[in-house]
Amino acid sequence: GIQVEQSPPDLILQEGANSTLRCNFSDSVNNLQWFHQNPWGQLINLFYIPSGTKQNGRLSATTVATERYSLLYISSSQTTDSGVYFCAVENTGANSKLTFGKGITLSVRP
Amino acid sequence: DTGVSQDPRHKITKRGQNVTFRCDPISEHNRLYWYRQTLGQGPEFLTYFQNEAQLEKSRLLSDRFSAERPKGSFSTLEIQRTEQGDSAMYLCASSLSGTIGETQYFGPGTRLLVL
Repeated sequence: GIQVEQSPPDLILQEGANSTLRCNFSDSVNNLQWFHQNPWGQLINLFYIPSGTKQNGRLSATTVATERYSLLYISSSQTTDSGVYFCAVENTGANSKLTFGKGITLSVRP
Repeated sequence: DTGVSQDPRHKITKRGQNVTFRCDPISEHNRLYWYRQTLGQGPEFLTYFQNEAQLEKSRLLSDRFSAERPKGSFSTLEIQRTEQGDSAMYLCASSLSGTIGETQYFGPGTRLLVL
């Protein structure tokens, strides 16, 4: 099946810093979503982005489908950005199921 | 739009007991998914429904697991004869097929601990 690798596995930032989170995937995709999992376990949708670039406030994401990677940018980080960030992909022909990476744990220090 | 809801939020059970979880998807969403997440890992796909039809099951879903969506609305996931290895977060998601940008929306999950 499709492989999803996220890097770095852990990231520690000072409040106000910027960061880039990366997601590599091994095959063509119909769907790519970025999620933020809060400390209570809730997965919060950030972006649906199988290709192209989107921005939402301090967050933006870019997916280059032909090169099989996606980037999530967080600018002016806040302590509330802390948590685990997941990239999940739907392989072309995979019948809607999402395959998740292992996640990136972000800690933003005040 | 009240979001995806799951019940219960937490369940502690003894090995060998049966447990059942419920998921209520976003109304009008015709697709419903179950995933399982263990500590330090991303969620893993278990099964999904389109309306009331169960269209795919992962090999992770042993014969002790059964899922239903009888009227194409809410779904239940039952685990029979629970084992300690079943301890995990069970997540439900829903989506509306045929839409541009079909996005899966997740519920808060049910945390299962098998003693």
